[in-house]
Amino acid sequence: DSGVTQTPKHLITATGQRVTLRCSPRSGDLSVYWYQQSLDQGLQFLIQYYNGEERAKGNILERFSAQQFPDLHSELNLSSLELGDSALYFCASSVVREGTQYFGPGTRLLVL
Amino acid sequence: GQQVMQIPQYQHVQEGEDFTTYCNSSTTLSNIQWYKQRPGGHPVFLIQLVKSGEVKKQKRLTFQFGEAKKNSSLHITATQTTDVGTYFCAPNTGGFKTIFGAGTRLFVKA
Repeated sequence: DSGVTQTPKHLITATGQRVTLRCSPRSGDLSVYWYQQSLDQGLQFLIQYYNGEERAKGNILERFSAQQFPDLHSELNLSSLELGDSALYFCASSVVREGTQYFGPGTRLLVL
Repeated sequence: GQQVMQIPQYQHVQEGEDFTTYCNSSTTLSNIQWYKQRPGGHPVFLIQLVKSGEVKKQKRLTFQFGEAKKNSSLHITATQTTDVGTYFCAPNTGGFKTIFGAGTRLFVKA
């Protein structure tokens, strides 16, 4: 158990819908990262927050947005969902900006 | 921008054989981390290398950081079925953005 929690574990929805994925970092970790992993693919970095502020953006689509709240939990919002958005979404946290990343168990999203 | 290449993409070995995965960056790195993801699991941190030419060992795993701090390798001696999974490198250049290598998927045949 990494100490990072993600909800929900599984999500099935339809194209065009909007979903919100939630992540609670390890206690004391200020950085939160979001990654997308498609079937048998690598980890695509989406976005990073540090202490409530956006710090880095990767290949995140405009239909996707995220935020980190004052209690440091983070949410990833995916809208106008397409079939290709089906993937495993991981959240990770670290104490500092380049520190060891602790990954949550992931949210498996299936768009039908 | 920074380019990261990790090779090979896949590796099939017989149990007991050695395995090596390589990570190459187009830019000088401040440090590099390695992660392992078991099938159906999430990535788990293995190690961080910081110094030029650094070599670290964890039981049968040997991690190396190149002298120029642009490449790194992970070597597993005498693989076991428990080594199955995907090994990712995560090079850091000093910025916030995190880029993971594509990963090397290791298959071990008993």
